[in-house]
Amino acid sequence: SAVISQKPSRDICQRGTSLTIQCQVDSQVTMMFWYRQQPGQSLTLIATANQGSEATYESGFVIDKFPISRPNLTFSTLTVSNMSPEDSSIYLCSASWLAGNEQFFGPGTRLTVL
Amino acid sequence: KNEVEQSPQNLTAQEGEFITINCSYSVGISALHWLQQHPGGGIVSLFMLSSGKKKHGRLIATINIQEKHSSLHITASHPRDSAVYICAFPGGMDSNYQLIWGAGTKLIIKP
Repeated sequence: SAVISQKPSRDICQRGTSLTIQCQVDSQVTMMFWYRQQPGQSLTLIATANQGSEATYESGFVIDKFPISRPNLTFSTLTVSNMSPEDSSIYLCSASWLAGNEQFFGPGTRLTVL
Repeated sequence: KNEVEQSPQNLTAQEGEFITINCSYSVGISALHWLQQHPGGGIVSLFMLSSGKKKHGRLIATINIQEKHSSLHITASHPRDSAVYICAFPGGMDSNYQLIWGAGTKLIIKP
């Protein structure tokens, strides 16, 4: 299994600001993903973080709003830009060694935007 | 019709009871995840199984691929088992790593 850590664990931010969330995996992984869970909702995949290339975004999510970095096989960041209260969610990263294989999840970042 | 349905939606039980959570799905899958989400939001992957049964401590997961059904059982339940339990499976023809999520079962174990 893989152990995943996220920073920060929670934050309260002002409207219009940006927050970068870090995700660290304790081993090299092929796939890293970013999810959002809005209050009372299931998880929604934001994007797949690709090492060495641009992230692959799901419908409804764009790079300008959620820029993602993946500088190596163990680390990724997600930035929530120009935040509004609608961005208040739990953001989770996950990792997998192979597409379709078991995913391991980080502890999540609880974001509140005022 | 949703691709995946979980039941029950909410479950409250006394400590020590045997717990069963069910997951039914309507599409062919290769494997299914059972995940646990604690009130703080963190998610733990409990099982990924493609056939038969897996056991880890007091947790047992079973799957019947032909019947498109999986169950998660908790024996000798404890208040620390209180969490949301979610089943999910890789979906999509060209992105089989994108998980299709059940709505979750909120479990409360009372002391």
